[in-house]
Amino acid sequence: NAGVTQTPKFQVLKTGQSMTLQCAQDMNHEYMSWYRQDPGMGLRLIHYSVGAGITDQGEVPNGYNVSRSTTEDFPLRLLSAAPSQTSVYFCASSPDGRSSPLHFGNGTRLTVT
Amino acid sequence: EDQVTQSPEALRLQEGESSSLNCSYTVSGLRGLFWYRQDPGKGPEFLFTLYSAGEEKEKERLKATLTKKESFLHITAPKPEDSATYLCAVQTSGNTPLVFGKGTRLSVIA
Repeated sequence: NAGVTQTPKFQVLKTGQSMTLQCAQDMNHEYMSWYRQDPGMGLRLIHYSVGAGITDQGEVPNGYNVSRSTTEDFPLRLLSAAPSQTSVYFCASSPDGRSSPLHFGNGTRLTVT
Repeated sequence: EDQVTQSPEALRLQEGESSSLNCSYTVSGLRGLFWYRQDPGKGPEFLFTLYSAGEEKEKERLKATLTKKESFLHITAPKPEDSATYLCAVQTSGNTPLVFGKGTRLSVIA
């Protein structure tokens, strides 16, 4: 059972480039979410989805897009990378996003130069 | 606004020296409080869920407790392998997503 799989593990981008961070889960979870983690800031929610075809914004959505075409996948797109988006990104899922704990991937470390 | 505050930010213990981490919260209605452990370079790993004041959960050297305003993570006779960042998060009774604290970085020295 793989759980939540994130790719790539590391990425370096130049300012203005675009890319997609991949997230896949094999637990048939309805709820999926993206967080960024920065020193001293804790985990901040970027976008989340309560099921296929449904997405919503979190605390820090600007500069990021998401879509949820299947239950398994929830990619995060950076439209035009900026140095402020240098961070560690975590994808997480849970059965319902309410009373069930989140299962996290091991993160993507992104550096924007 | 829902808020979660963890203290201390960092804690250094000698092996065997018991202590507690604090998570205080101000939310409109608590559905559940979660504790996670995060090792360097890894994603957070679920430890406990607490649902109501007075509830306690235990796992090896860890015990989590909950009151109406805060939760404690008690660490009894810690070992170096307990070194990690411990995160607290609350789920409110509304439709808002989980709110995380900033974590406590625990170091246990042999």
